[in-house]
Amino acid sequence: AQSVSQHNHHVILSEAASLELGCNYSYGGTVNLFWYVQYPGQHLQLLLKYFSGDPLVKGIKGFEAEFIKSKFSFNLRKPSVQWSDTAEYFCAVRGSQGNLIFGKGTKLSVKP
Amino acid sequence: EAEVAQSPRYKITEKSQAVAFWCDPISGHATLYWYRQILGQGPELLVQFQDESVVDDSQLPKDRFSAERLKGVDSTLKIQPAELGDSAMYLCASSLARYSSYNEQFFGPGTRLTVL
Repeated sequence: AQSVSQHNHHVILSEAASLELGCNYSYGGTVNLFWYVQYPGQHLQLLLKYFSGDPLVKGIKGFEAEFIKSKFSFNLRKPSVQWSDTAEYFCAVRGSQGNLIFGKGTKLSVKP
Repeated sequence: EAEVAQSPRYKITEKSQAVAFWCDPISGHATLYWYRQILGQGPELLVQFQDESVVDDSQLPKDRFSAERLKGVDSTLKIQPAELGDSAMYLCASSLARYSSYNEQFFGPGTRLTVL
């Protein structure tokens, strides 16, 4: 069965620091990958997705992720975080029925 | 902007009681998902509908959970009887189609269930 691993449970950064959140998936075939974000008190919302093509995917709010097939990874990056990026971030892979299989999430706290 | 609606937002119940959650997906979305998110974990699929048909309910504890989407629009998830371990956030999501570049899933605000 497919699975997703997120290595960091809680990341604490100062504003303007660079961010990289790790995500690894288990499936070796064609994958569709997603990063979702949940701001405090808000719904889960899509940050970015990878289906095919350019492995460097740009999303909303200055986030990007790189799909590295050889490493089964889809790490999320942002060059300079803001206090407003404080949230929980979830990596997900699309399951065989179109559902999402999520990692456990990484909580990001940005200190002003 | 269209949103997935869920109610109630919060539910506190005692174990062995019955509870029900309601979800209204974005208009026109054929696929509806119910996920359960336990504190500190990512969401896990409980059941998936394509229109009014169940596509996947392999992770639904069928001895106590049931779900329906009778007219292929809104959906109800029921737990009877509730157990302490059912305390979690229950999320509903919808998408336009199951397999396509439109497969973005839109999530509702969730129902936080506490079983005492």
